[in-house]
Amino acid sequence: TQLLEQSPQFLSIQEGENLTVYCNSSSVFSSLQWYRQEPGEGPVLLVTVVTGGEVKKLKRLTFQFGDARKDSSLHITAAQPGDTGLYLCAGARGTSYGKLTFGQGTILTVHP
Amino acid sequence: NAGVTQTPKFQVLKTGQSMTLQCAQDMNHEYMSWYRQDPGMGLRLIHYSVGAGITDQGEVPNGYNVSRSTTEDFPLRLLSAAPSQTSVYFCASSSQGTLRNTEAFFGQGTRLTVV
Repeated sequence: TQLLEQSPQFLSIQEGENLTVYCNSSSVFSSLQWYRQEPGEGPVLLVTVVTGGEVKKLKRLTFQFGDARKDSSLHITAAQPGDTGLYLCAGARGTSYGKLTFGQGTILTVHP
Repeated sequence: NAGVTQTPKFQVLKTGQSMTLQCAQDMNHEYMSWYRQDPGMGLRLIHYSVGAGITDQGEVPNGYNVSRSTTEDFPLRLLSAAPSQTSVYFCASSSQGTLRNTEAFFGQGTRLTVV
């Protein structure tokens, strides 16, 4: 049972387009993290959202935590080929980051 | 800055063989975890540890053993390898901090093939 449903699984877009990745759950999480993973490497943290309704911006990336802390979204504006990679959402309960629940991941390809 | 170091990077095993995947971190983190990554399934937690001498099962623990005798090391043992254990394995460590400033640091992974 996947507790965090991430969609879409694959996204192939042209440079300059906008996109949104969704991460949904029926469970409440203390915090939601987004990671990015390059081929042959481990995931690297992009952002952590903690408060319901919180919005965080990282250059062209905007992250939002749902009001009920059950869902999150990642929006990329004007995507660039350098954004290509695997994006993963992960939920934590309490402060135990040793026990993360991951979504299935979204493979993003941005074509020049 | 070594961070989290996993060895080996690649391994091929025959069905029934046993082996140990090594993981070491030099950040003095309390938490360490093992995940496996399969296509379309994200990362799934195998075992985790909240400190030396303390381990617990994750979502998919069957066929794997762990121990945590030191803060730095958290090896993962495959007792009798099966083709279903073909996967990429990631070790991660994190410290106990506030919700906002704690992140998991991952190793580069071990790609395991069981034939």
